[in-house]
Amino acid sequence: TQLLEQSPQFLSIQEGENLTVYCNSSSVFSSLQWYRQEPGEGPVLLVTVVTGGEVKKLKRLTFQFGDARKDSSLHITAAQPGDTGLYLCAGRTTGANNLFFGTGTRLTVIP
Amino acid sequence: EAQVTQNPRYLITVTGKKLTVTCSQNMNHEYMSWYRQDPGLGLRQIYYSMNVEVTDKGDVPEGYKVSRKEKRNFPLILESPSPNQTSLYFCASSSWPLGNEKLFFGSGTQLSVL
Repeated sequence: TQLLEQSPQFLSIQEGENLTVYCNSSSVFSSLQWYRQEPGEGPVLLVTVVTGGEVKKLKRLTFQFGDARKDSSLHITAAQPGDTGLYLCAGRTTGANNLFFGTGTRLTVIP
Repeated sequence: EAQVTQNPRYLITVTGKKLTVTCSQNMNHEYMSWYRQDPGLGLRQIYYSMNVEVTDKGDVPEGYKVSRKEKRNFPLILESPSPNQTSLYFCASSSWPLGNEKLFFGSGTQLSVL
């Protein structure tokens, strides 16, 4: 069961460019999280959004939760090589006892 | 330091030889979970536990067993490993409410079954 679809699956951009990663579902989530994973390590939490329409900023990263709480986006401004990694969204549906992960977006920022 | 510890980091075994991957957390978390990560498939949940002696199947439980006898430990057992279980495995833990609190991950166990 794949509740969360991420796009694009792969993204390779030049340093300084902007990009957006999408996380979509037909299910409604009570909360949605974004994680970043670097090679050889486990995913690390970047942000949690819980309210429809919520926007959170983390330096050059902007996260938005869809109004209907079915989708989310991650926008990176002026990407840097240090942003390179695998970005994963994860959501919990109301009443569920587990967290569903998206398929992931592998980002490469070329210096 | 708050952490989830998995062992071993790398494991090569042969088909049918029972193995256990250990997982321990020092944050007194109720929730613990095992995931496997394969290229193009993201993180898929194997089993999870909401508390001691409470475990439940995730999306891909076949061929795996778990136990939760103590709050801090959540071992993953492969009774008879097969090559299709070659994967990168992660243990994770969290406090409640799940999905609002941070999910802490271990550093992973790369398993190869020959």
